[in-house]
Amino acid sequence: TQLLEQSPQFLSIQEGENLTVYCNSSSVFSSLQWYRQEPGEGPVLLVTVVTGGEVKKLKRLTFQFGDARKDSSLHITAAQPGDTGLYLCAGGSTGTYKYIFGTGTRLKVLA
Amino acid sequence: NAGVMQNPRHLVRRRGQEARLRCSPMKGHSHVYWYRQLPEEGLKFMVYLQKENIIDESGMPKERFSAEFPKEGPSILRIQQVVRGDSAAYFCASSPHVDSYEQYFGPGTRLTVT
Repeated sequence: TQLLEQSPQFLSIQEGENLTVYCNSSSVFSSLQWYRQEPGEGPVLLVTVVTGGEVKKLKRLTFQFGDARKDSSLHITAAQPGDTGLYLCAGGSTGTYKYIFGTGTRLKVLA
Repeated sequence: NAGVMQNPRHLVRRRGQEARLRCSPMKGHSHVYWYRQLPEEGLKFMVYLQKENIIDESGMPKERFSAEFPKEGPSILRIQQVVRGDSAAYFCASSPHVDSYEQYFGPGTRLTVT
């Protein structure tokens, strides 16, 4: 059974700090996505990474896919209160359309 | 450019009643996925459908749950004889084709069984 574990589970930081969220698995994925979900809403796709070692930047967010395509990280620089939410990673495999979602990291950025 | 639409947003049912959840995919998307999210848990895949076809329902409970995506109209997730354990947020996602890596989610339907 494929599992994606995210760490930390909860993170509370002050505005302006940097943070990194991790998504780890013992399985190889052909693609990995990061989502942010706000209370009462559906997950919103932030980025998709498909190549081992790939790094993508989205303003203050930097996403990296591990060389072996088993793990990923999300780094936020100078966090803002608007970054508050539940961050989910999801892994997909070639030949299957089922995405395995991680356990989530709940981030709170205090003003 | 409308996103994925789900209705109702909130649904309250008594034990034993039926729940019908609707999902209209994004324009141009013909692949629909249903997920369930229990409180404080991640999303769990339930079923994948294309128009008039169930492609994979391996995540669906064997009894009381069914899904369809007719030629015309929204995809429907149907839960018969609901029990308290069915209380959860149900999300629908769509993608333009099976080779697309990206799934776009609707706002979800929050089902409460009393």
